[in-house]
Amino acid sequence: QVHLQESGPGLVKPSQTLSLTCSVSGASISSGGYYWSWIRQLPGKGLQWIGFIYNSGDTYYNPSLQSRVTILLDTSKNQVSLKLSSVTAADTAVYYCARDLGPDYGMDVWGQGTTVTVSS
Amino acid sequence: DIQMTQSPSSLSASVGDKVTITCRAGQNIGTFLSWYQQKPGKAPKLLIFAASSLQSEVPSRFSGSGSGTDFTLTISSLQPEDFATYYCQQSHGSHTFGQGTKLDIK
Repeated sequence: QVHLQESGPGLVKPSQTLSLTCSVSGASISSGGYYWSWIRQLPGKGLQWIGFIYNSGDTYYNPSLQSRVTILLDTSKNQVSLKLSSVTAADTAVYYCARDLGPDYGMDVWGQGTTVTVSS
Repeated sequence: DIQMTQSPSSLSASVGDKVTITCRAGQNIGTFLSWYQQKPGKAPKLLIFAASSLQSEVPSRFSGSGSGTDFTLTISSLQPEDFATYYCQQSHGSHTFGQGTKLDIK
């Protein structure tokens, strides 16, 4: 059974870089033809897709966040990381990672989410 | 970015009711459309993929239809555990979610 767990600082100062990790168990991030997505949910709001990384390392980011986002694979630890630079209060959200089966199949396994607050 | 517009934004219904939620894409996305259910404090759960395919272990009272720009999610007979927020999501290139439909008890 595949399990995803997000982790990282719950509080980040404005202008700094938000860094989160998604630890994957039950599947290898470097095989299987999967994408690994990051999604966030602003307080009381809907869902915003941040980007994904394919097991080859190819990435695709939300155009509205592209200039500030980096998603990487750490195959030695079976982890997917998210970095979001130059954060502001508008980046305060619950951040989720998810296994993305591709455009035909949706995101079938999600982590529980981690809350990040941007505040000085 | 492809915009996704869901309607209604909120809906009140009773146990046993049939409910339909619609989602309209800003351009043709074929069948690259998924539906998710989210309960408070929980991660979204995949219900439907490829517009009309039921995800494993999702009850058959959930169904999806549509292609191109217009899509629907139907719950044939509402159960108490179905009261939640529902999102559509397109995956034609980038991903975009609809704004959500909150389904609550009448």
